[in-house]
Amino acid sequence: DSGVTQTPKHLITATGQRVTLRCSPRSGDLSVYWYQQSLDQGLQFLIQYYNGEERAKGNILERFSAQQFPDLHSELNLSSLELGDSALYFCASSQTGGAPKNIQYFGAGTRLSVL
Amino acid sequence: TQLLEQSPQFLSIQEGENLTVYCNSSSVFSSLQWYRQEPGEGPVLLVTVVTGGEVKKLKRLTFQFGDARKDSSLHITAAQPGDTGLYLCAGERGATNKLIFGTGTLLAVQP
Repeated sequence: DSGVTQTPKHLITATGQRVTLRCSPRSGDLSVYWYQQSLDQGLQFLIQYYNGEERAKGNILERFSAQQFPDLHSELNLSSLELGDSALYFCASSQTGGAPKNIQYFGAGTRLSVL
Repeated sequence: TQLLEQSPQFLSIQEGENLTVYCNSSSVFSSLQWYRQEPGEGPVLLVTVVTGGEVKKLKRLTFQFGDARKDSSLHITAAQPGDTGLYLCAGERGATNKLIFGTGTLLAVQP
């Protein structure tokens, strides 16, 4: 158990809908990262938050947004869903936001199926 | 464009065999990490290498970071069925701790 909790574990929805994925980081970790894993693209970095502020952006679509709340949990919002958004979405957390060798701990992921 | 290419993509071997997985890039990374991911789980960190030429051993696993910090390898000695999984390398660049993951190597060790 990594200590990172993601809910829900599975999500099935239809095209055009909007969903929210939730992540609770490990106790004491200030940084949260979101990744998307699909068969054709592999594991891709989406976005990072550090202590409530956006720290880095990766290959995140404009239809996707995220935030980190004062209690440090994070939510990833996916809207106007398309079939191609079906993937595993992982959240990871780490103690700080920029130190080298900063270990990221991954949650078990949310499997999103868009039908 | 995938910055980190892993080879082979798939590997199926018998218990007791040795294997090497390669992670190559044309870019320099400040550090490189190796993860193993099992079905239904998130990636779990195995090791981080930071210095060019560094070699780290974790029981039967040996990790090496290239001298120029552009590539890495993972060698497993006497593979066991418990080693089965998806092996991912990930490079870190810049100060944000953002990880760029490799294409992955799916390893199956048959008993």
